[in-house]
Amino acid sequence: DAKTTQPPSMDCAEGRAANLPCNHSTISGNEYVYWYRQIHSQGPQYIIHGLKNNETNEMASLIITEDRKSSTLILPHATLRDTAVYYCIVRVDGTYKYIFGTGTRLKVLA
Amino acid sequence: ETGVTQTPRHLVMGMTNKKSLKCEQHLGHNAMYWYKQSAKKPLELMFVYSLEERVENNSVPSRFSPECPNSSHLFLHLHTLQPEDSALYLCASRERLAGDPYEQYFGPGTRLTVT
Repeated sequence: DAKTTQPPSMDCAEGRAANLPCNHSTISGNEYVYWYRQIHSQGPQYIIHGLKNNETNEMASLIITEDRKSSTLILPHATLRDTAVYYCIVRVDGTYKYIFGTGTRLKVLA
Repeated sequence: ETGVTQTPRHLVMGMTNKKSLKCEQHLGHNAMYWYKQSAKKPLELMFVYSLEERVENNSVPSRFSPECPNSSHLFLHLHTLQPEDSALYLCASRERLAGDPYEQYFGPGTRLTVT
């Protein structure tokens, strides 16, 4: 019952921008989109979140469409250390639960 | 470092053993979570505590018993486990249970192997 849809895998050349898409067509007006990543066998790491506006921090940029039905996480200059599984998640309506789907396995290639 | 620590990092136990996993958060958060991640599967929410009160028990078998003595510490007591319980067990904390935006901070996990 994940509320988001992501491609299972993507490759990106080192030094290039990695653009990871996410569909969340049933998102409610007050629900935030969160992005996490999980490097092999470690705990998930928070990356960024957003509601309506595009956001940028030291790790990444988040572009949210005007209708809020999809978003894109951008890693501007991917490095080998960015190889990980990236999760796009939203909160389940009316609860405190965040459902982690299967995410996108990003492989950065040298 | 996320401010959430877990011990031990690796644990091997027999099916008749009793062991405990420990989680400690140094962030002053009020909500704490246990997740299970089996091989090549998404994270599964197991338990949620808010201000030391359990608010979620996600159909977890009774051989897993959580304990939250205070808002900084969370334990998962294990007894008579099955081999299929082998997984990465992750602890997370959040500033408060409800509302946004508050991200979850995860510990490094305990890799459990049941033999």
